[in-house]
Amino acid sequence: GGIITQTPKFLIGQEGQKLTLKCQQNFNHDTMYWYRQDSGKGLRLIYYSITENDLQKGDLSEGYDASREKKSSFSLTVTSAQKNEMAVFLCASSIRQQDTQYFGPGTRLLVL
Amino acid sequence: GDSVTQKQGQVTLSEDDFLFINCTYSTTTYPTLLWYVQYLGQGPQLLLKVTTANNKGISRGFEATYDKGTTSFHLQKASVQESDSAVYFCALVPNTNKVVFGTGTRLQVLP
Repeated sequence: GGIITQTPKFLIGQEGQKLTLKCQQNFNHDTMYWYRQDSGKGLRLIYYSITENDLQKGDLSEGYDASREKKSSFSLTVTSAQKNEMAVFLCASSIRQQDTQYFGPGTRLLVL
Repeated sequence: GDSVTQKQGQVTLSEDDFLFINCTYSTTTYPTLLWYVQYLGQGPQLLLKVTTANNKGISRGFEATYDKGTTSFHLQKASVQESDSAVYFCALVPNTNKVVFGTGTRLQVLP
């Protein structure tokens, strides 16, 4: 088995601040994802990457940057945090896009 | 485009009640259909998965049937326990391979 680690677990930021979330997986999966989860809105795809150094935009990429530095890690940057923003950011990985995704525990963001 | 609809935002049951969570989908492909479960403080995890080759999935007492006629993939369990309290997501994987998730149904099981 493998595990997905997300850091930090909780992130409190200020309006306008640039914030970076990190994700590591030891499944040796090729594909990694970042989702945003808001109450009542399900999971919305922000960015995904099908291999090292690849980046693909999801439906919610505006306001975010991502970086796939190596196969095992995928980071997400909130370029300018919005006041009163509150959401959970979930990282996931899969062997290929059509395969089962395995999720990390999430990073909970609160912007004051 | 591809979409998944879960009309029930929340379901509240008592232990040993029958569970039915509604899910319908829309796609022009022959997708794989999935149910994920998310327990409090955790990420979603796969509960069951059904492809066009096998139209029924069963896992941990939960079952879902892939009905192409009604384009539905409802989740059922005969007798729920308090430990089943979680959010349940229906999802489909169309030929484009980008998973499409429903909005989730929060299940609360009272002791």
